[in-house]
Amino acid sequence: LAKTTQPISMDSYEGQEVNITCSHNNIATNDYITWYQQFPSQGPRFIIQGYKTKVTNEVASLFIPADRKSSTLSLPRVSLSDTAVYYCLVGSINTGGFKTIFGAGTRLFVKA
Amino acid sequence: SAVISQKPSRDICQRGTSLTIQCQVDSQVTMMFWYRQQPGQSLTLIATANQGSEATYESGFVIDKFPISRPNLTFSTLTVSNMSPEDSSIYLCSVREGGNTEAFFGQGTRLTVV
Repeated sequence: LAKTTQPISMDSYEGQEVNITCSHNNIATNDYITWYQQFPSQGPRFIIQGYKTKVTNEVASLFIPADRKSSTLSLPRVSLSDTAVYYCLVGSINTGGFKTIFGAGTRLFVKA
Repeated sequence: SAVISQKPSRDICQRGTSLTIQCQVDSQVTMMFWYRQQPGQSLTLIATANQGSEATYESGFVIDKFPISRPNLTFSTLTVSNMSPEDSSIYLCSVREGGNTEAFFGQGTRLTVV
């Protein structure tokens, strides 16, 4: 499974756009990039997944450059309730089976 | 999506005892996993719970310490055996539904060993 590197923590203010970048230099051809969100005292929750270019859903956007060695999770207009830990994961059935392996994650603090 | 119920949600246990954590899913799922999350840390995969066969453990985790059962496609248990304060952690159950790559997690069991 490809190793991922994310900033340990980030601060933001309500209403701002937050971009969290994840590096995954050893990503394999079949690997997908998946982001999870975890609030205190809860299990992680799936946010978004992508393979290349851009993916957008009602929660976030995921930007993946052509070389796929990094990805950026974009959270538009964050609120206090977006304070959480965000995990970037890289893998596929071919490289890790169905296992979901977590890195250190990024602690996002949203201030009023 | 799958809805996962874990019991108990929290417990305080004496060292040397064992605790069994239950994970119930509202639908049949192929893959079930158990994780540990120590305070302020990320999640660490303990094992994959295989239906009808022994669990597959990750490096650093052994069956004698963390026996797992998976009697059917909707239920699994994780036992934390002969507990010590170092086992104080949150234990989470996770599932993946067949070929779908999204994982779902339970709320976790917060274990404190005194």
